[in-house]
Amino acid sequence: AQTVTQSQPEMSVQEAETVTLSCTYDTSESNYYLFWYKQPPSRQMILVIRQEAYKQQNATENRFSVNFQKAAKSFSLKISDSQLGDTAMYFCAFMTPRGGYQKVTFGTGTKLQVIP
Amino acid sequence: GAGVSQSPRYKVAKRGQDVALRCDPISGHVSLFWYQQALGQGPEFLTYFQNEAQLDKSGLPSDRFFAERPEGSVSTLKIQRTQQEDSAVYLCASSSSISGQGARDSPLHFGNGTRLTVT
Repeated sequence: AQTVTQSQPEMSVQEAETVTLSCTYDTSESNYYLFWYKQPPSRQMILVIRQEAYKQQNATENRFSVNFQKAAKSFSLKISDSQLGDTAMYFCAFMTPRGGYQKVTFGTGTKLQVIP
Repeated sequence: GAGVSQSPRYKVAKRGQDVALRCDPISGHVSLFWYQQALGQGPEFLTYFQNEAQLDKSGLPSDRFFAERPEGSVSTLKIQRTQQEDSAVYLCASSSSISGQGARDSPLHFGNGTRLTVT
């Protein structure tokens, strides 16, 4: 079974600063995907960034980037130039394509507050 | 519609009542998932449909939980004889991926969820 651990229940950052959210995971699979999802108060889960385990290059999406350390099973999210709209819950998630469908395992989340 | 639609947005039920939660996925999406999100927790997988076929129901917590998708589009999650521990947000997600193709091409699209409170 796969597990995803987020050890930071809450974090805060000043507007325009940079913040890093931590995530570790455990799996015996060699082929898998990692995700960061954002959940604002509207409750809708929004995909922020995705990383394929076979790719060594870290994924980036505008102000969002990841630090993927496969050997350490670590997958942190860096948010640069934080904006007030980044305030939300952030969930790290894991998925293996075994079975061909997206059964995603989520961590417990980190509540991020961006302070003006 | 443009996104995944769930209704009702809020539901309050007295312990022992039956409830039905509706999910209207993105048109044409063959895969549909239900997740349960308890307060302060991450979503947990309940069940998966490919079209009308329920291929995985391993996450359903008890036989009081039942899901269906009879025509391969709209899905209903039914909870019988609700208990206080059923209080949670129930999220629905859809995807255009098909079993066997893998997951790299189509991320999950989530609805806004239904917040169920059992009193």
